[in-house]
Amino acid sequence: GAVVSQHPSWVICKSGTSVKIECRSLDFQATTMFWYRQFPKQSLMLMATSNEGSKATYEQGVEKDKFLINHASLTLSTLTVTSAHPEDSSFYICSARGPSGRTSTDTQYFGPGTRLTVL
Amino acid sequence: GQSLEQPSEVTAVEGAIVQINCTYQTSGFYGLSWYQQHDGGAPTFLSYNALDGLEETGRFSSFLSRSDSYGYLLLQELQMKDSASYFCAVNDFNKFYFGSGTKLNVKP
Repeated sequence: GAVVSQHPSWVICKSGTSVKIECRSLDFQATTMFWYRQFPKQSLMLMATSNEGSKATYEQGVEKDKFLINHASLTLSTLTVTSAHPEDSSFYICSARGPSGRTSTDTQYFGPGTRLTVL
Repeated sequence: GQSLEQPSEVTAVEGAIVQINCTYQTSGFYGLSWYQQHDGGAPTFLSYNALDGLEETGRFSSFLSRSDSYGYLLLQELQMKDSASYFCAVNDFNKFYFGSGTKLNVKP
């Protein structure tokens, strides 16, 4: 249980285009999802917290107009990188807060990640 | 702000025991999680501590001392497949913040 999928797994795009990444919780409802970015050999940096039915909460330094997040249902959150540039190339990972249970609400389950390369 | 510190790299041999420490300083604290990440992959959940003490899950155990803002992950009977990066993460109210990660190298 607690499986999170992410699509696409990798994408290459031209500078200036927009890219949409989908994150789905497959076997549980996730009221809260998180979006992270990870550069090579670095830690995961929280970009934003996505709550179903409300606006995402962005971390300091993350441009909300560049990284559009939509959490329209309890199983789907999307991240759109608008007008992508080479410096946006990174590994983007989503996670969903675990289904209610003994401790699982305080853990998160990660999608497989999306590797974005902007040329 | 939030600050989590881990050693950057640890090397051990197969069959050995290794401990990866994590100290944290956060504005809020609900619990400490540990994740494993192989190169090119996504993190996978290993263990979680909300209360002081030791949690054991197979070969992996995790310890937390809230008064010391300190925790560790203990890996026993190391296997080659355990070579990966290990991250501690603090559940700070509704958010999770990750440490810088510890690269574990397991040698034959």
